[in-house]
Amino acid sequence: DAGVIQSPRHEVTEMGQEVTLRCKPISGHDYLFWYRQTMMRGLELLIYFNNNVPIDDSGMPEDRFSAKMPNASFSTLKIQPSEPRDSAVYFCASSRGDPAYNEQFFGPGTRLTVL
Amino acid sequence: ELKVEQNPLFLSMQEGKNYTIYCNYSTTSDRLYWYRQDPGKSLESLFVLLSNGAVKQEGRLMASLDTKARLSTLHITAAVHDLSATYFCAVDRENRDDKIIFGKGTRLHILP
Repeated sequence: DAGVIQSPRHEVTEMGQEVTLRCKPISGHDYLFWYRQTMMRGLELLIYFNNNVPIDDSGMPEDRFSAKMPNASFSTLKIQPSEPRDSAVYFCASSRGDPAYNEQFFGPGTRLTVL
Repeated sequence: ELKVEQNPLFLSMQEGKNYTIYCNYSTTSDRLYWYRQDPGKSLESLFVLLSNGAVKQEGRLMASLDTKARLSTLHITAAVHDLSATYFCAVDRENRDDKIIFGKGTRLHILP
């Protein structure tokens, strides 16, 4: 299996621009998670989906952030407009939703820099 | 609210020494996960502990779970430089809504 795939791996943009991050979960995984990691705040869960439906978006920082999962193999996280404080590494993770355990598998991340 | 606390948060140690990282959590749970993150890289799953008394070992790393004490340990034996990384523990919430709560991570630096 190819693992969780994210694109782009690096993104540099200017304040005010729209940014779209993409994720392809592991095939057969029912859950998809978006995390943000910074030195100051550590690893934060932004939102997660079960069978393409958003379950908990309480971690989404502001209305500038939105996430979609139009099908089982694709999700996007969009920031519009972007701000310098959004600079972070954004990880996507997926899990099978096995009732026995919830091991999550992480993608390589997207390093976002907003100037 | 489930809280997961790791200590220490930073650890610098000499090669060849033994040490333990601790992970405490605030509510009942019988599923705990350890992840490793190398600098600039993603998180990699190390161990999945699914019951009280569970012990898993791989190489110089051994993880254990005591659900009654709400404590997991990650023990490093005869540390080598290649084990330098940040180690995270994560715990299932009691209602098992498939969201796991991460600790802040322990940054481990092993000196040659």
